[in-house]
Amino acid sequence: AQSVAQPEDQVNVAEGNPLTVKCTYSVSGNPYLFWYVQYPNRGLQFLLKYITGDNLVKGSYGFEAEFNKSQTSFHLKKPSALVSDSALYFCAVTARAGTALIFGKGTTLSVSS
Amino acid sequence: GAVVSQHPSWVICKSGTSVKIECRSLDFQATTMFWYRQFPKQSLMLMATSNEGSKATYEQGVEKDKFLINHASLTLSTLTVTSAHPEDSSFYICSARTPGLNTEAFFGQGTRLTVV
Repeated sequence: AQSVAQPEDQVNVAEGNPLTVKCTYSVSGNPYLFWYVQYPNRGLQFLLKYITGDNLVKGSYGFEAEFNKSQTSFHLKKPSALVSDSALYFCAVTARAGTALIFGKGTTLSVSS
Repeated sequence: GAVVSQHPSWVICKSGTSVKIECRSLDFQATTMFWYRQFPKQSLMLMATSNEGSKATYEQGVEKDKFLINHASLTLSTLTVTSAHPEDSSFYICSARTPGLNTEAFFGQGTRLTVV
């Protein structure tokens, strides 16, 4: 069975500091990994994905994530956080293209000014 | 990226009535759509996979007679919550992917259902 773990319910950082939101996964076969962001009462906005290729993936709004197969991790990072980055972040995985994404529980990112 | 439109954004209904939520892919054909439910400050739980022209596949624990899914065309899937009760109040989100496109999933903006 596929699963995603986001070990932190909340991450607090000061504006301008680097941020990391952690994600580990479990899947049979090669994983397709995604990060999405959700603002209150809104749908999900796509940030980035790893399908194959370079382990470091760059996405929207300055976010990036590194795929680490040995640690089965796909942590989301940003070099310099903005207050506007404050939102709920979801990591998701699937093992086959075209199938449903399985989501982690989400991590609330709070960036203080 | 592709656009998925979900309607309505919010709805309030009385207990015992039914509510229909529409999910449309605006600029691509979605052979498969997914319906999720999200409780406050929790993750998205997959309810069912909707395939155009065939019956939906429901996840374990989801009542198929209560959450009716229809995917009659390549651009429209509907979720009908029948005989709604207050415990059905939730945020419902649809998603669409097609094999021929990028494997990314595109999400609707969600529907906030409140049953009173």
